[in-house]
Amino acid sequence: RKEVEQDPGPFNVPEGATVAFNCTYSNSASQSFFWYRQDCRKEPKLLMSVYSSGNEDGRFTAQLNRASQYISLLIRDSKLSDSATYLCVVNIYSNTGKLIFGQGTTLQVKP
Amino acid sequence: DAGVIQSPRHEVTEMGQEVTLRCKPISGHDYLFWYRQTMMRGLELLIYFNNNVPIDDSGMPEDRFSAKMPNASFSTLKIQPSEPRDSAVYFCASRQYSDGLWAPLHFGNGTRLTVT
Repeated sequence: RKEVEQDPGPFNVPEGATVAFNCTYSNSASQSFFWYRQDCRKEPKLLMSVYSSGNEDGRFTAQLNRASQYISLLIRDSKLSDSATYLCVVNIYSNTGKLIFGQGTTLQVKP
Repeated sequence: DAGVIQSPRHEVTEMGQEVTLRCKPISGHDYLFWYRQTMMRGLELLIYFNNNVPIDDSGMPEDRFSAKMPNASFSTLKIQPSEPRDSAVYFCASRQYSDGLWAPLHFGNGTRLTVT
């Protein structure tokens, strides 16, 4: 089993749609979770951190479910500019800085 | 803040040649990471350093790969000899650990390596 797993998609949605991605992680001791966004041929950039209580940033909502060992990202009112690959990132061991990336989920928002 | 700086942006070389990739992390960041990205395998962690000391190099593919961090502001990833299957985008990234909290990772622009 991979340490961090995502559905690669692609997710093809119309503008204005709501879309959700999940990401599972294997190590229950993992801490510090993040969602990154990567545009084609660019470096990954931080979208948002994921906190235990869940957090929201505009149209984006991130949640953590420790019992089931997954994190989620919800995008509301999708825009064309949201088209990108979304990477789930997990600090796989609590006492190290080792960050493991999922393989990414590709989102394509259509007009 | 200049961000993480990588050089070169692009490297094209012939099989068997030595390749050296360079990275300058964000000032004050105490962790530095080297990742490799390909379509097939996604982003793979090759090695990471804490305070210039290599902590985990289990992701380094084989002995042809080596990485150093002689000081807090510079790191290199070397491939010798290079092979076509090493063609990928190599990212350097840095982060900070402070007051018991892990900060997010910041990436450089990457080096696109092509080995012919």
